[in-house]
Amino acid sequence: EDKVVQSPLSLVVHEGDTVTLNCSYEVTNFRSLLWYKQEKKAPTFLFMLTSSGIEKKSGRLSSILDKKELSSILNITATQTGDSAIYLCAAFTGTASKLTFGTGTRLQVTL
Amino acid sequence: GAVVSQHPSWVICKSGTSVKIECRSLDFQATTMFWYRQFPKQSLMLMATSNEGSKATYEQGVEKDKFLINHASLTLSTLTVTSAHPEDSSFYICSARGGAGGQRSYEQYFGPGTRLTVT
Repeated sequence: EDKVVQSPLSLVVHEGDTVTLNCSYEVTNFRSLLWYKQEKKAPTFLFMLTSSGIEKKSGRLSSILDKKELSSILNITATQTGDSAIYLCAAFTGTASKLTFGTGTRLQVTL
Repeated sequence: GAVVSQHPSWVICKSGTSVKIECRSLDFQATTMFWYRQFPKQSLMLMATSNEGSKATYEQGVEKDKFLINHASLTLSTLTVTSAHPEDSSFYICSARGGAGGQRSYEQYFGPGTRLTVT
């Protein structure tokens, strides 16, 4: 059974802090790893990672995939209250072309 | 572009009744639609995958007779929760994928979700 696990489950930080969110996966026929941000409603796409060791960056967010360790991290620097959300990672598998989502990390950024 | 809508946004129904949730791709043709369920403080769980014009593929543990999925056109899929019970109360999210796969076959566009409360 495909499995994606994220840690920590929940995190509270002060504005300006840097956070690292972790995602590990055990799936069959792995193709890519995706990160999403979910606020009140549906998830919004952040990154898609296919190759190991290549960092993807968007503003204060960055992410990297380690296919040897079957894991990925999402970094957020200089956090802001608007970063408060649930961050989901998902493994895209080629067998059924479907996404298996992780447990999510709930991030709260306080003033 | 790539907008997916869901209707209704929130529904409250009595136990034993059926509820239909619609998922529409507004500006693209969705060859595949996915239905997810999300319980409070939990992640999205894939319930089923539906391809236009064919029967849906259900994930293990999801009752296909209880969660009826119809994907009759390239822009509309419906999920009907039959004989709903309080334990079916959840946030249901659909996503849609266009094209025939390939490099961007990972690209799913999510609807805003439907919150179902069964009393």
